[in-house]
Amino acid sequence: KNEVEQSPQNLTAQEGEFITINCSYSVGISALHWLQQHPGGGIVSLFMLSSGKKKHGRLIATINIQEKHSSLHITASHPRDSAVYICAAFLNTGNQFYFGTGTSLTVIP
Amino acid sequence: KAGVTQTPRYLIKTRGQQVTLSCSPISGHRSVSWYQQTPGQGLQFLFEYFSETQRNKGNFPGRFSGRQFSNSRSEMNVSTLELGDSALYLCASRQANPPDTQYFGPGTRLTVL
Repeated sequence: KNEVEQSPQNLTAQEGEFITINCSYSVGISALHWLQQHPGGGIVSLFMLSSGKKKHGRLIATINIQEKHSSLHITASHPRDSAVYICAAFLNTGNQFYFGTGTSLTVIP
Repeated sequence: KAGVTQTPRYLIKTRGQQVTLSCSPISGHRSVSWYQQTPGQGLQFLFEYFSETQRNKGNFPGRFSGRQFSNSRSEMNVSTLELGDSALYLCASRQANPPDTQYFGPGTRLTVL
């Protein structure tokens, strides 16, 4: 059983669409990270959240601690947003990160 | 500041061989974590080193080992390579304690034939 579940697995959107990627976790966490991985492997940390909401440009991340759920939103999506998005939870039960399986996003011009 | 660097970027080995991968963290970062990424299993935590000591370890066999030097540079070693060890190996550094933001290196793509 995965401590961290992510959906959808694959997502195709038209340029300009609003996109939502979801992440659920089953146990208590200290923090949740959203990562972006482009083809070729490089991973960039987008957000670290322990409560509430954060915004950076067209990206918004929210977390609901009570519901054990986080979302990553992309407004006005662009083809350069095409990447794999991964949520990573730092659980209270173990001193390490647990990763979702990733969402592969393709934005079509 | 320079980012996290990993060498080599690509590596081809045969079953039974051993391999050593290197990671240089961002200057001032004392924690280095290693991850394995495969298409089937996704990202999985291997181990974390902090101030030359292994602080955490994931669920991998003893063939996977690592170490950290006094300058925070880290190496991981895989002995007796198996086909299933083919993966992208990523290291990430942070200043001190989790769950601080980690900064990832570009990875080493290991292919075992």
